[in-house]
Amino acid sequence: EEQLLESGGGLIQPGGSLRLSCAAAEFTFSTNALSWVRQAPGKGLEWVSGISNSGGSSYYAGSVKGRFFISRDNSQKKMFLQMNSLRAEDTAVYYCARGRFLTWPDWYFDLWGRGTVVIVSS
Amino acid sequence: QSVLTQPPSMSGAPGQRVTISCTGSSSNIGAGFDVHWYQQLPGTATKLLIYGNTNRPSGVPDRFTGSRSGTSASLAITGLQAEDEADYYCQSFDSTLSGWVFGGGTQLTVL
Repeated sequence: EEQLLESGGGLIQPGGSLRLSCAAAEFTFSTNALSWVRQAPGKGLEWVSGISNSGGSSYYAGSVKGRFFISRDNSQKKMFLQMNSLRAEDTAVYYCARGRFLTWPDWYFDLWGRGTVVIVSS
Repeated sequence: QSVLTQPPSMSGAPGQRVTISCTGSSSNIGAGFDVHWYQQLPGTATKLLIYGNTNRPSGVPDRFTGSRSGTSASLAITGLQAEDEADYYCQSFDSTLSGWVFGGGTQLTVL
């Protein structure tokens, strides 16, 4: 069964850093773009960052640009999100999602993980 | 405030039809970018319901139908069932933000 599994969440103080991981199973990892999507408590979904299948192109929401950095290791079938200068408003469940598109840039997300919780609080 | 606007909540009786709207602008839906729909059930992974405005992935019942017109899109659910009680989100690309955006979500209650 195709799966995505996030890890690395936790409680972190404002201004701190955290690195999330997303591991893939049962699909050809290197041919798929991936994204991170987050959901703050009681709120809706927010796209955070995306990366092309090769890792050569990356994209960021304005709210995280310059603080978050996305990367991937196709040999390990893993994607990462390095989160720096964390703020209280970054508190959320972070999901990784596989991206597909019919034509660029009409990305849609056809496989989602269950998420990892990040809490930014002193 | 989300770039794509959805009604926060809707309800319907079993067997009824409900339509969830997603209103955007000239920088996203109105610019011709595709709209996609997702279902979020508590305790389960988010599920893709509709992609490319009208397409259903394998396994999604034909009770779910997507459409797009102008700066808006809609998700219609016919023959409402108890298991359809969930949160629903639309998603598109926004050229002004140069990024992918979601609607604020609609909580659907089956009465």
